Amino acid sequence: GEDVEQSLFLSVREGDSSVINCTYTDSSSTYLYWYKQEPGAGLQLLTYIFSNMDMKQDQRLTVLLNKKDKHLSLRIADTQTGDSAIYFCAEYTGRRALTFGSGTRLQVQP
Amino acid sequence: DVKVTQSSRYLVKRTGEKVFLECVQDMDHENMFWYRQDPGLGLRLIYFSYDVKMKEKGDIPEGYSVSREKKERFSLILESASTNQTSMYLCASSSPVAEAFFGQGTRLTVV
Repeated sequence: GEDVEQSLFLSVREGDSSVINCTYTDSSSTYLYWYKQEPGAGLQLLTYIFSNMDMKQDQRLTVLLNKKDKHLSLRIADTQTGDSAIYFCAEYTGRRALTFGSGTRLQVQP
Repeated sequence: DVKVTQSSRYLVKRTGEKVFLECVQDMDHENMFWYRQDPGLGLRLIYFSYDVKMKEKGDIPEGYSVSREKKERFSLILESASTNQTSMYLCASSSPVAEAFFGQGTRLTVV
């Protein structure tokens, strides 16, 4: 079955790196996504990775995928106060809609 | 620019009312989705549609129905609103094998 899990909360200081982790159970996942939700807004796609990749870098964002452990992470370098938001990981298996985790609230302290 | 528009940002309805949440996308996407978002539970899929007049139940369809008469519009209907349907409702659309684009959300309060 499909299940995506994340820790609920992460607090970092401005300028530090943030690492948000996600685990999933469906080995047939073809795409894995990271979405960002700012207060009062919908979800905004940050980045995604194909299941045949193990790393993707996009400016301050680095996505690592460990298929053996079904573990996905999002690293934000030089975290800023504007990065404070809820971050959702999601998987797509080709059978139906995206399955989302519960979201990780990132708090960036000045 | 990609756009998914939900008709209301905030709604307050009374218990027992019939409620319509509207969603329109301008990207000619085949797929449209309704999720609800509750603290600590993430996004849960209510219904989705892969084509006009086609619908499939998601994980929590009870108490909801949907309508897709035109490709660009996907409506969520609460037949008889209850207080446990107070939530943030998010509409999304996508083309097959692609990321989902979300609307800004409708925060529904049922009193």
